[in-house]
Amino acid sequence: EVQLVESGGGLVQPGRSLRLSCAASGFTFSSYWMHWVRQAPGKGLVWVSRINSDGSSTSYADSVKGRFTISRDNAKNTLYLQMNSLRVEDTAVYYCARNKGGIDYWGQGTLVTVSS
Amino acid sequence: DVVMTQSPLSLPVTLGQPASISCRSSQSLVHSDGNTYLNWFQQRPGQSPRRLIYKVSSRDSGVPDRFSGSGSGTDFTLKISRVEAEDVGIYYCMQGTHWPPWTFGQGTKVEIK
Repeated sequence: EVQLVESGGGLVQPGRSLRLSCAASGFTFSSYWMHWVRQAPGKGLVWVSRINSDGSSTSYADSVKGRFTISRDNAKNTLYLQMNSLRVEDTAVYYCARNKGGIDYWGQGTLVTVSS
Repeated sequence: DVVMTQSPLSLPVTLGQPASISCRSSQSLVHSDGNTYLNWFQQRPGQSPRRLIYKVSSRDSGVPDRFSGSGSGTDFTLKISRVEAEDVGIYYCMQGTHWPPWTFGQGTKVEIK
């Protein structure tokens, strides 16, 4: 069974940093591209970032480019999102998701709240 | 960026009756490999999204056959043949043909009348 378990969310002040993790199991993690997608409270789904299977290629939404960094450790079956210079508008539930024909499996999400 | 536009945004339905959600893209979603990467997701209240349909019309494992997807090019539809109480939630279309970015529709909220 495919499982994606996010962690690392919490309350952080504007301008500070946070690192999210996503532990993957139930599939060959190193074979799949992975994504981060976020959902602000009461709002829709917004794609944030994607990384290819060996970590050599990444993409970012314009809203996070230069502030967020996606990475992975295939030996640990773990996906990361380093979030720097956080803004109030980054407040959201952050989901990690597997890429297969777009996106197929999603984690349960971790809430990031940016507030002073 | 490809803009995905769903309608309606709110869909009150009677139990046992059909429901239909439209999703239109700002450009054709036919990929150079011949596939059309248009997915549909269901997000029940308090849950993470679950994929229902991939590549326009292929149903994911475990998805009831009352859900079906159709369409081509820029015009796509998700249909529920007979709505059940467990179908309440928000439905999103998403394109994975022209990336980055991967883009979602605004979501359609399905509720029981």
